[in-house]
Amino acid sequence: QVQLVESGGGVVQPGKSLRLSCATSGFIFDSYTMHWVRQAPGKGLESVAAVSFDGKNKYYGDFVQGRFTISRASSRNTLYLQMNSLTTEDTAVYFCARGLFTMIQGPSDRWGQGTLVTVSS
Amino acid sequence: EIVLTQSPDTMFLSPGERATVSCRASQSLSSNYIAWYRQKRGQAPSLLIYGASLRAPGTPARFVGSGSGTDFTLSITRLEPEDFAIYYCQQYGFSPFTFGPGTEVGVK
Repeated sequence: QVQLVESGGGVVQPGKSLRLSCATSGFIFDSYTMHWVRQAPGKGLESVAAVSFDGKNKYYGDFVQGRFTISRASSRNTLYLQMNSLTTEDTAVYFCARGLFTMIQGPSDRWGQGTLVTVSS
Repeated sequence: EIVLTQSPDTMFLSPGERATVSCRASQSLSSNYIAWYRQKRGQAPSLLIYGASLRAPGTPARFVGSGSGTDFTLSITRLEPEDFAIYYCQQYGFSPFTFGPGTEVGVK
């Protein structure tokens, strides 16, 4: 069955970096767009970044402002999110999600359970 | 960035009743690239509807999506106990793909 398992969350100081990983299984990783979506405590959903099936097309939420990088490793069936210059406003649960379509335009049909990132001094 | 607004913020209904959630976009989504998700407390969201009216695999028939342009609606014809949750619309026509603020369906 389709599985997405996030890891790498934790407590980090403002200005520091963190790399999130999303290990996938149960589907052909190279055939799907992948997304990161976050949810601050008690708040709604916010698109962070997405990468097309072949890694050639990416987009980022406006708030990212060059601080985050999404990438994927087909050999490991794993999605990554490198986050730099973190601020307290980045505190959230970060979900990894699979795109419904091959093309980057599309909703997310399968989600991981999320990993909590807390930015605090 | 396209802004989505949802109404109402919260509604309180009984099992078996009909729920209607509205989603309005700040500009027209000509290809009806709207999706709806349900998020139960403490869980990840799950996709219900995409393309404004297409049910995702496994979505029960009581979930009905409609609308076009800037105005979209999710209807739940008869609420089941598992439907008391938060519902989000999302547009994926223009990057970044934005979400609405959510509508909570609570138990009366």
